[in-house]
Amino acid sequence: EVQLVQSGAEVKKPGESLRISCKGSGYSFTTFWIGWVRQMPGKGLEWMGIIYPGDSDTRYSPSFQGQVTISADKSINTAYLQWRSLKASDTAMYYCARHTTIFGVVRSLDALDIWGQGTMVTVSS
Amino acid sequence: EIVLTQSPGTLSLSPGERASLSCRTSQTISSSYLAWYQQKPGQAPRLLISGASSRATGIPDRFSGSGSGTDFTLTISDLEPEDFAVYYCQQYDSSPYSFGQGTKVEIK
Repeated sequence: EVQLVQSGAEVKKPGESLRISCKGSGYSFTTFWIGWVRQMPGKGLEWMGIIYPGDSDTRYSPSFQGQVTISADKSINTAYLQWRSLKASDTAMYYCARHTTIFGVVRSLDALDIWGQGTMVTVSS
Repeated sequence: EIVLTQSPGTLSLSPGERASLSCRTSQTISSSYLAWYQQKPGQAPRLLISGASSRATGIPDRFSGSGSGTDFTLTISDLEPEDFAVYYCQQYDSSPYSFGQGTKVEIK
């Protein structure tokens, strides 16, 4: 079964650092782009950025550039989303999702077909 | 950055009715790069439509997508009780691959 399994919920204080994970299985992890999506409480979906685990090519939304770091360890089929210094406004559900390919073309990017279950991050003093 | 505007914000319909959801983009995008997702409370989004009109695996044929250029539509014919949810469009033509703000389809 193709799936993405995310790490568990986190409760942190402002200023703390955090890394959450997304482990892929059932497919070739290195040949599909992985995206991260934020959903603040009661709000819509926001695209944060993507990574190609095969070579760690990464692209960020301008809204999130410099605020988070996206990385991947292809040896363990895992992508990460990291913060150096959390703020209360980072409180949200974070989803990872796989971009499927266009007709199997390498490095192509189609819609988000497989989603992780989400990781809730709460930042509160 | 491409902005996606969905309308209406909320659609109040009864089971068996037809739902028509709009997604307009601020720039022309290739119709191959527009997707629709469904999200139910407490769940991750689920892909319904990619390439503006191609149903994802396992999606019932009452869901259909259409449109091109800057105007796209998701149609749900004959609403089932499980279809009441929030729907998002997303463009993946040009990074950042932005989402619309969502349309909630609620039971009337």
